[in-house]
Amino acid sequence: QVQLKESGPGLVQPSQTLSLTCTVSGLSLTSNSVSWIRQPPGKGLEWMGVIWSNGGTDYNSAIKSRLSISRDTSKSQVFLKMNSLQTEDTAMYFCARTGWFAYWGQGTLVTVSS
Amino acid sequence: DIQMTQSPPSLSASLGDKVTITCQASQNINKYIAWYQQKPGKAPRLLIRYTSTLESGTPSRFSGSGSGRDYSFSISNVESEDIASYYCLQYVNLPYTFGAGTKLELK
Repeated sequence: QVQLKESGPGLVQPSQTLSLTCTVSGLSLTSNSVSWIRQPPGKGLEWMGVIWSNGGTDYNSAIKSRLSISRDTSKSQVFLKMNSLQTEDTAMYFCARTGWFAYWGQGTLVTVSS
Repeated sequence: DIQMTQSPPSLSASLGDKVTITCQASQNINKYIAWYQQKPGKAPRLLIRYTSTLESGTPSRFSGSGSGRDYSFSISNVESEDIASYYCLQYVNLPYTFGAGTKLELK
């Protein structure tokens, strides 16, 4: 049974760095790719970036300069780090198995506020 | 980037109606489109991939079609559990891009 679960701080101060973890079970990170996707309150979905099964990464050019995705295959975890957060980064953050995104985590709400 | 123009933004339907949502891509996406249902506070749920392939567990009242740049998603015989937002996604090219969504409400 494939499961993904996001975790991280619910509140981040403006200009600070966001760190999120996606813990996966039921699939191997060395043969599956994982993306991060976010959704501001009441708005649509934005694909942020992916870490491929070979460990390579690709990012949405809109946020590429602020974003880093990495992983620890031994712990089945994928990490997101995004710096210089602003209020417009307030969103639900999801991780999902890349492809046609059949599997998603439940999401974690991140609020950027002082 | 491939832009996905989804319409309508909202839809009002009665139980038993057929509704259709469309997505037009800014370029040919070779049928690499998926459709998702999202209920408030939940993650999107994959319903259809590769234009018309129903995901396991997707009721047969859902369907998809299209080619090239133009795609559609339909629900025949709308049920109360179908009240949700729906999104298309193109996954042929990076960055993957979603349509803006369609909110389905009961008339």
